[in-house]
Amino acid sequence: GIQVEQSPPDLILQEGANSTLRCNFSDSVNNLQWFHQNPWGQLINLFYIPSGTKQNGRLSATTVATERYSLLYISSSQTTDSGVYFCAVLNTGGFKTIFGAGTRLFVKA
Amino acid sequence: NAGVMQNPRHLVRRRGQEARLRCSPMKGHSHVYWYRQLPEEGLKFMVYLQKENIIDESGMPKERFSAEFPKEGPSILRIQQVVRGDSAAYFCASSTDGTPLSNSPLHFGNGTRLTVT
Repeated sequence: GIQVEQSPPDLILQEGANSTLRCNFSDSVNNLQWFHQNPWGQLINLFYIPSGTKQNGRLSATTVATERYSLLYISSSQTTDSGVYFCAVLNTGGFKTIFGAGTRLFVKA
Repeated sequence: NAGVMQNPRHLVRRRGQEARLRCSPMKGHSHVYWYRQLPEEGLKFMVYLQKENIIDESGMPKERFSAEFPKEGPSILRIQQVVRGDSAAYFCASSTDGTPLSNSPLHFGNGTRLTVT
C-alpha cells in the first residue's frame, strides 16, 4: 500500500518563528489533507490540497503531486499552534485515506 | 450544519464487556470511515462503509470487532469482549463521495475515548 512519511517527527519553536512541515508519499494520490490535532485530541481540517497551493491566514500548503510531496508552512507561530500535524492521503484507485505518523509541534511562549 | 457527531465522548468498560461506539455523519454524507488512534500514535484505518454495505474492512481486527451503517440511524462500531489493548481513541469520518476517483475531503468527529479497566 501507499507509504506516507512526515518530517520532522518533532519540532520545538519559539513563538513568532516560522516552520515548514513535509509530507512525502510513495504513490499517486487523488486526495491529500492536512489536519491539526490539538492538545484536546480534536482533529481540525486545515487544508484539502491534492495539488497546488492554498493559504489560510498564517498557514499555507503546497502539494506537488508529480513529485509526491506536500509542504505545510506555519508563519509567526503561536502557542495555540502546538499539537500534532497529520498529512493524510487517498491514493489513486484506493478507498481508504492513510495517515502519516505526524509532526509533533510545541511552540514556546 | 452539524458536523460529524460521535458518542459517547468517553467510554469506560471492564475487560470482557462490550463497547458500542456511534457515529452520525454530516448531513448529506453517505460514506463513513472508522479510525483508531493508540496513545502517542497516528490514526490507523479500520473500515469504510456506505449505507448497508461494508466497502473495505482491511484494517479491522478479524475477531471481536464489527461495524455497520444501517439504512436508518448512525454507524456503529462494536467491540465485543474488550481487552486492555483496545483502549484507544476511535474516530469516525464522513465524506460525500468515497469512490477511488473522488475528490471529497474527510470530515472527522471528536472521537470516542475508550478505556478498558
